[in-house]
Amino acid sequence: DGGITQSPKYLFRKEGQNVTLSCEQNLNHDAMYWYRQDPGQGLRLIYYSQIVNDFQKGDIAEGYSVSREKKESFPLTVTSAQKNPTAFYLCASRRQGRLNTEAFFGQGTRLTVV
Amino acid sequence: EDQVTQSPEALRLQEGESSSLNCSYTVSGLRGLFWYRQDPGKGPEFLFTLYSAGEEKEKERLKATLTKKESFLHITAPKPEDSATYLCAVIYTSGTYKYIFGTGTRLKVLA
Repeated sequence: DGGITQSPKYLFRKEGQNVTLSCEQNLNHDAMYWYRQDPGQGLRLIYYSQIVNDFQKGDIAEGYSVSREKKESFPLTVTSAQKNPTAFYLCASRRQGRLNTEAFFGQGTRLTVV
Repeated sequence: EDQVTQSPEALRLQEGESSSLNCSYTVSGLRGLFWYRQDPGKGPEFLFTLYSAGEEKEKERLKATLTKKESFLHITAPKPEDSATYLCAVIYTSGTYKYIFGTGTRLKVLA
């Protein structure tokens, strides 16, 4: 089945530690996105990529980094510079084309600082 | 500033009590508006895409409409299983294509 997979589902980070969240899709989508969701709030864009080896900062990129070495994969690293990383992280992908299509989401990673 | 605003933040309805959720946007170069449903602890699920003012889409008890400034998600005779957070998103051109979300409306339907 085609889809988008995030792992792990739950992640605990110690103060000062970098952690990487995985996002893999087998939908052959060009565009991929990372969002952060805080309790009771909407989705805020962290980074997005429209093509391999290229990505752009979203609205809240500070303290995060990404890479896009393969079309299928768009990992997000939460660095120690991110002072308040506890949140629900969502990865999405979409097919780009003449009619702009909807995004498909993974099931999310809940990151907690301990 | 490009942004998407949803109202109300939260809504409680009795089963069968119809209502509407609002999504207003201030972006230029709109290429599409999307509605999603999100259950707690899960990723959003796609509901509708609207591309141009005057367009309408329906699915079961839900109907989405679009004007040049806002979109409405009408819920007719809701059931408790319609309880969820409803998110809208827009895709627009700002140099590159950007895809941003509103803050969501938390809907609770009481039996």
